[in-house]
Amino acid sequence: NAGVMQNPRHLVRRRGQEARLRCSPMKGHSHVYWYRQLPEEGLKFMVYLQKENIIDESGMPKERFSAEFPKEGPSILRIQQVVRGDSAAYFCASSEGSAPQYFGPGTRLTVL
Amino acid sequence: GENVEQHPSTLSVQEGDSAVIKCTYSDSASNYFPWYKQELGKRPQLIIDIRSNVGEKKDQRIAVTLNKTAKHFSLHITETQPEDSAVYFCAASKGNQGGKLIFGQGTELSVKP
Repeated sequence: NAGVMQNPRHLVRRRGQEARLRCSPMKGHSHVYWYRQLPEEGLKFMVYLQKENIIDESGMPKERFSAEFPKEGPSILRIQQVVRGDSAAYFCASSEGSAPQYFGPGTRLTVL
Repeated sequence: GENVEQHPSTLSVQEGDSAVIKCTYSDSASNYFPWYKQELGKRPQLIIDIRSNVGEKKDQRIAVTLNKTAKHFSLHITETQPEDSAVYFCAASKGNQGGKLIFGQGTELSVKP
């Protein structure tokens, strides 16, 4: 059973460009969560999605960030007009309803 | 708001000694408490978790205790080994159908051979 998959693993963008991060949950998991980890800091919740629905986006910045989890395909975290402060590791986790959550390998975003 | 405090931020022990990491949560509705281990550059890995209907859970050298009244929970690692060296995060969540994890700040554990 493949674990949570994320791609790309590393992403470099220039300021003002768009970043798209993808997450495929574990087989059978319908709940997806996105977390951000700044260098040498803890994990901060961003958004919680189920298929075609955003359940909780209380951790998402109000502008430039959006997330989706379509009926078919991976969940996407989209960051428009990236700034240097967006540089971080973005982790996706999935669960089968209630806990536990299993994490993917992360996407390390660097904004030049 | 929801908050999880974790202490200490760094912990250094000799191989074979025990290590204890403590967390306190603010939201009394929290009912699920996992612990994750994260090695440098890797993903957080779930090592043990506990729900609010039990006070203690053990898995080989790792145990977690929960005090709901005091709103704190602890991770205990016995007979530490160098490969236990990593950053450990506690977290809390609420809701029976999934829910966001609120993480502590992390503890960097170093086990010296």
